[in-house]
Amino acid sequence: QMQLQESGPGLVKTSQTLSLTCTVSGASMSSGSYYWSWIRQPAGKGLEWIGHIYTSGDTYYNASLKSRVTISVDTLKSQFSLRLYSVTAADTAVYYCARWDNGNDDAFDVWGQGTMVAVSS
Amino acid sequence: DIVMTQSPDSLAVSLGERATINCKSSQSVLYTSISKNYLSWYQQKPGQPPKLLIYRASTRESGVPDRFSGSGSGTDFTLTISSLQAEDVAVYYCQQYYSTPWTFGQGTKVEIK
Repeated sequence: QMQLQESGPGLVKTSQTLSLTCTVSGASMSSGSYYWSWIRQPAGKGLEWIGHIYTSGDTYYNASLKSRVTISVDTLKSQFSLRLYSVTAADTAVYYCARWDNGNDDAFDVWGQGTMVAVSS
Repeated sequence: DIVMTQSPDSLAVSLGERATINCKSSQSVLYTSISKNYLSWYQQKPGQPPKLLIYRASTRESGVPDRFSGSGSGTDFTLTISSLQAEDVAVYYCQQYYSTPWTFGQGTKVEIK
């Protein structure tokens, strides 16, 4: 059973770069047709799709964040990463990594537990 | 962007009774060429990540109890819990993947009356 686990700093200073890594375990990242995704959720609010990456390296970003986001993948390490530049308090949220099954479910079928990131000066 | 609007924002239902959540998209999420609606439903309990319940509008994810069902097409969708159980207390989200950016509804909170 594939599992995902986010890791990274819980506090980032305003205008700095938020960097998170999602480690995939239990199966190979290349074992199916998946998009590796980042989603965030401000406290008490709804879900916002940030973007995703295919194992080929093709990326898709939410246009609202596109100028500040980079998602990368390292299949040898079974990891994919998020970098969000020039953060503000509005970027404070729980960040989830998730697997999008593009072959069977057409959905986010595996999620990490989430990691809280606060942005503060 | 496709805007997903859920109704109601919250509802309280007695144990064993039916709960119905509606989701409306600002444009159709039906891929007519393959007759598939690109819509999914998730359940999120406090302190937990969302859990997939339904994909392609009406296909139940493996392991999801059959009291959960999805219906609808085009722009109007419904998630139904046929007989509410205590463990169903959660926030439910619909999500479209017809076009990027993929977007979620604002969520519907389901409580016990």
